[in-house]
Amino acid sequence: DAGVTQSPTHLIKTRGQQVTLRCSPKSGHDTVSWYQQALGQGPQFIFQYYEEEERQRGNFPDRFSGHQFPNYSSELNVNALLLGDSALYLCASSRLSTAFSGYGYTFGSGTRLTVV
Amino acid sequence: GENVEQHPSTLSVQEGDSAVIKCTYSDSASNYFPWYKQELGKRPQLIIDIRSNVGEKKDQRIAVTLNKTAKHFSLHITETQPEDSAVYFCAASQAYLNKFYFGSGTKLNVKP
Repeated sequence: DAGVTQSPTHLIKTRGQQVTLRCSPKSGHDTVSWYQQALGQGPQFIFQYYEEEERQRGNFPDRFSGHQFPNYSSELNVNALLLGDSALYLCASSRLSTAFSGYGYTFGSGTRLTVV
Repeated sequence: GENVEQHPSTLSVQEGDSAVIKCTYSDSASNYFPWYKQELGKRPQLIIDIRSNVGEKKDQRIAVTLNKTAKHFSLHITETQPEDSAVYFCAASQAYLNKFYFGSGTKLNVKP
């Protein structure tokens, strides 16, 4: 068990709907990063949260938003879903103070989102 | 921003042969390069990493080489086994950013 928990594991939504995905980081980690992995592609960085604030953001529209709670868990929200949002959404946790994340960068198993 | 390119997209080898996967990056500020293995339906798992102050790193049957001048790095797997079959991703990052730019992946198939 890698220690990062994501829920739900699978989700089917209709175009135009909104979705919330959840992530609980590994114990001792304070930073949560979200990635989108389309089928057959590498993960793409969406954004990162630290101390309940968005610290970095990738090239994703404002329809993608997030939140981090005092217990370091995090949510990813996507509004006005498009068919192209269908993907595996991965959460990764780490400690910001770690210079080279490497073995301290732990991925969850992901949430498979299908938009129909 | 950083752009990581990875080749080949698929690689098929016989058990016992070697496999090489190559990546290039664009941002000279990148100084950390991890490699991940992702089996079908599972999370990416780090298998080896290298920092920019090192040219080569080896861990049993796996090795990674880095050429900072040319901005490319490679994964070498020797004596391949069927359980090495998976998708492999290279990535580039900078210290303390905790953010990775991934390549598009290489599907490795090791035939028994």
